[in-house]
Amino acid sequence: GNSVTQMEGPVTLSEEAFLTINCTYTATGYPSLFWYVQYPGEGLQLLLKATKADDKGSNKGFEATYRKETTSFHLEKGSVQVSDSAVYFCALSDLLSGGYNKLIFGAGTRLAVHP
Amino acid sequence: EPEVTQTPSHQVTQMGQEVILHCVPISNHLYFYWYRQILGQKVEFLVSFYNNEISEKSEIFDDQFSVERPDGSNFTLKIRSTKLEDSAMYFCASSPGTPRGYNEQFFGPGTRLTVL
Repeated sequence: GNSVTQMEGPVTLSEEAFLTINCTYTATGYPSLFWYVQYPGEGLQLLLKATKADDKGSNKGFEATYRKETTSFHLEKGSVQVSDSAVYFCALSDLLSGGYNKLIFGAGTRLAVHP
Repeated sequence: EPEVTQTPSHQVTQMGQEVILHCVPISNHLYFYWYRQILGQKVEFLVSFYNNEISEKSEIFDDQFSVERPDGSNFTLKIRSTKLEDSAMYFCASSPGTPRGYNEQFFGPGTRLTVL
């Protein structure tokens, strides 16, 4: 079945450091891929998405490229801020009959950024 | 900005008791979901709901679970007889819906359920 694997955390960085959080997936067909972020005490928010191979999703300085050849969707940011401290979830959409979706999530990676 | 709300934020119950978790999806959305996250584990799909019926459910969603949209705004998850292993964070989500393809799902802040 479909699944998502992401690197374990926590990831601890200093402000302005480069961030990579690895995500790989297993899927039949052509899923869409997502990164969600969860700030303390809040729900899951969509950070970025890519719906087909070689698409690059980007938002708030974060980027991820849908790599079909390596089945990966790694999250990157060139210079992290303290406000980026959160839990990041990689996910894929599994298209259900009827055209709507369920999301399959990775385990989440906690990022802590220190001044 | 419209958002999904969930109540309560934290529910503590005794094993064997019934609980109902409440969600108010975004008002013009058509598709509704429940997910759960056991502490330290993945967020897992439980059920999706459309047009007043369940459209898909996972193997977790057994006969102890039910969902309902009683009044056109609330979307509830009921656990009839809670077990210790039901302790988790439960997330509600909704999406606007188009006939095909991906619909962005908007998540609520979650209800933490603790079964003692």
